[in-house]
Amino acid sequence: LAKTTQPISMDSYEGQEVNITCSHNNIATNDYITWYQQFPSQGPRFIIQGYKTKVTNEVASLFIPADRKSSTLSLPRVSLSDTAVYYCLVGSNDMRFGAGTRLTVKP
Amino acid sequence: EAQVTQNPRYLITVTGKKLTVTCSQNMNHEYMSWYRQDPGLGLRQIYYSMNVEVTDKGDVPEGYKVSRKEKRNFPLILESPSPNQTSLYFCASRRNRDSYNEQFFGPGTRLTVL
Repeated sequence: LAKTTQPISMDSYEGQEVNITCSHNNIATNDYITWYQQFPSQGPRFIIQGYKTKVTNEVASLFIPADRKSSTLSLPRVSLSDTAVYYCLVGSNDMRFGAGTRLTVKP
Repeated sequence: EAQVTQNPRYLITVTGKKLTVTCSQNMNHEYMSWYRQDPGLGLRQIYYSMNVEVTDKGDVPEGYKVSRKEKRNFPLILESPSPNQTSLYFCASRRNRDSYNEQFFGPGTRLTVL
């Protein structure tokens, strides 16, 4: 299983773009990169997934460089409600949740 | 509405008193799993099931049992709960084992063992 490394915490302000980078140096050929969001006392919620290049949906964008050894989750114009823990997961069958990145959005 | 449900949402019990936390999904998913979440330790997988009558241990299976007699249900059983099993538990499901399928989580069960 590919190990992931992401910052423990980040602070931002409302209206800013937030980029959270995840490092996964030993990613395997078949592995996908998936991001989940978790609010306090709630189950994680799928945000976005990608294999290579760029993926965009109504919530976020995911940038994956050619070597796939890292990925960046981009949240455009965050609001207070985006305060949550964000998890980067890498795998093809089984994935492990790490400690995640605790994002705090301030007014 | 596609969802994963868990019951109970909150439970306080005493050491040694057997309990079951139920989990049900209405999406006809093959893969279901249980996680526990503890401060500083993130989410850790307890057991998973790839289909009916197929279950396997996750990273922290000690003290837990599961069964998968029907596709929609995946109960978590604590035969003799201990205080170190006090935690927040999540059930999850996805279409199959392939990780490119979105995983849906239940609302969580907060268990306290005295």
